[in-house]
Amino acid sequence: QKEVEQDPGPLSVPEGAIVSLNCTYSNSAFQYFMWYRQYSRKGPELLMYTYSSGNKEDGRFTAQVDKSSKYISLFIRDSQPSDSATYLCAMTDTGNQFYFGTGTSLTVIP
Amino acid sequence: ETGVTQTPRHLVMGMTNKKSLKCEQHLGHNAMYWYKQSAKKPLELMFVYNFKEQTENNSVPSRFSPECPNSSHLFLHLHTLQPEDSALYLCASSQVGSGTDTQYFGPGTRLTVL
Repeated sequence: QKEVEQDPGPLSVPEGAIVSLNCTYSNSAFQYFMWYRQYSRKGPELLMYTYSSGNKEDGRFTAQVDKSSKYISLFIRDSQPSDSATYLCAMTDTGNQFYFGTGTSLTVIP
Repeated sequence: ETGVTQTPRHLVMGMTNKKSLKCEQHLGHNAMYWYKQSAKKPLELMFVYNFKEQTENNSVPSRFSPECPNSSHLFLHLHTLQPEDSALYLCASSQVGSGTDTQYFGPGTRLTVL
């Protein structure tokens, strides 16, 4: 069983739609959860960071962590063409080793 | 320069060549990482350095050799690579033990092995 599971997509939505991206994980020791955005031919860029369970909002982005279900989500409201990228979830327990999903490819159509 | 920088951005090499990738972090972090990113696969952790000491080596072939001369610089020395080693090589840094454990990535080196 993989440590982190993420649907690779691709996901295609019209501009203005709400996007939901998800990851599941198997290790209950994970405490720190991250979402990265990676544009084509660029390195991953940290988008959201959360510790333990709960919600965190930053502009159009909301990250949710449900540790009881081992499930994390990233919501994008009012999606824009500039949001078109691959979104990677990542998590760690101690900060020494990070575990990544495969990434979900998102296209927002104008 | 800010954040994490990597050079070169693109590299094409033959199987008998020797080359090096360079990474520099300007964030004052104490840990640095090398990852390999291939299409449709999760990021593969290759090496971890905490306080300049190598703490992880995830069964990486010996044709990849890391070097960390100080907490700001990280190298990946390459020799006699195989075509399947073609990938995006990403460097990252973090501040381990800070309570905000997360990683910051460089732009990557796109490596093609002919």
